[in-house]
Amino acid sequence: ETGVTQSPTHLIKTRGQQVTLRCSSQSGHNTVSWYQQALGQGPQFIFQYYREEENGRGNFPPRFSGLQFPNYSSELNVNALELDDSALYLCASSPPKQGIFYNEQFFGPGTRLTVL
Amino acid sequence: AQRVTQPEKLLSVFKGAPVELKCNYSYSGSPELFWYVQYSRQRLQLLLRHISRESIKGFTADLNKGETSFHLKKPFAQEEDSAMYYCALWMDSSYKLIFGSGTRLLVRP
Repeated sequence: ETGVTQSPTHLIKTRGQQVTLRCSSQSGHNTVSWYQQALGQGPQFIFQYYREEENGRGNFPPRFSGLQFPNYSSELNVNALELDDSALYLCASSPPKQGIFYNEQFFGPGTRLTVL
Repeated sequence: AQRVTQPEKLLSVFKGAPVELKCNYSYSGSPELFWYVQYSRQRLQLLLRHISRESIKGFTADLNKGETSFHLKKPFAQEEDSAMYYCALWMDSSYKLIFGSGTRLLVRP
């Protein structure tokens, strides 16, 4: 069983640029969530995608957007990059929901984004 | 507002000593709480969840709704327990998983 994979591993951009990060979900998982983890902080929820639609969003501006594809892989796009966007971006996938309880999310290794 | 607080950034203990990593939460609904762990050079992974009421790797955590706490405990720490520990709150109404800022546990020989 292949786990969650993310690409690229590291990325350096300059202020104002745009970036796309990619995530392949674990086999059998249909939900993908994205998190931003700044240095010394816990992961912060950006949004979740289910059936190719955004299914929940954290306190992030619209310049953070995403996509989910029919194979359940996902992209995170960030426009007009700011210095504070420098962080580790984590993707997590989870299996089809059963019941009302939390469905365990399986995390990828992350993409380290540096904005200069 | 919903919040998870981990007051200690670093907890250093000797091998064999008891460990308690503190977690407090703020949530108006019925909480579902978890502990996630990240070992060196590994990805974030679920350690335990309060509804399971199970012991994983000797760790337990009890949800105390009166004190809004979900502290992680282990009676005898091992060196391999050294890792970053995150407490997390699941909000089913908005599909958000809210993490605390984490506590680094260092178990010294």
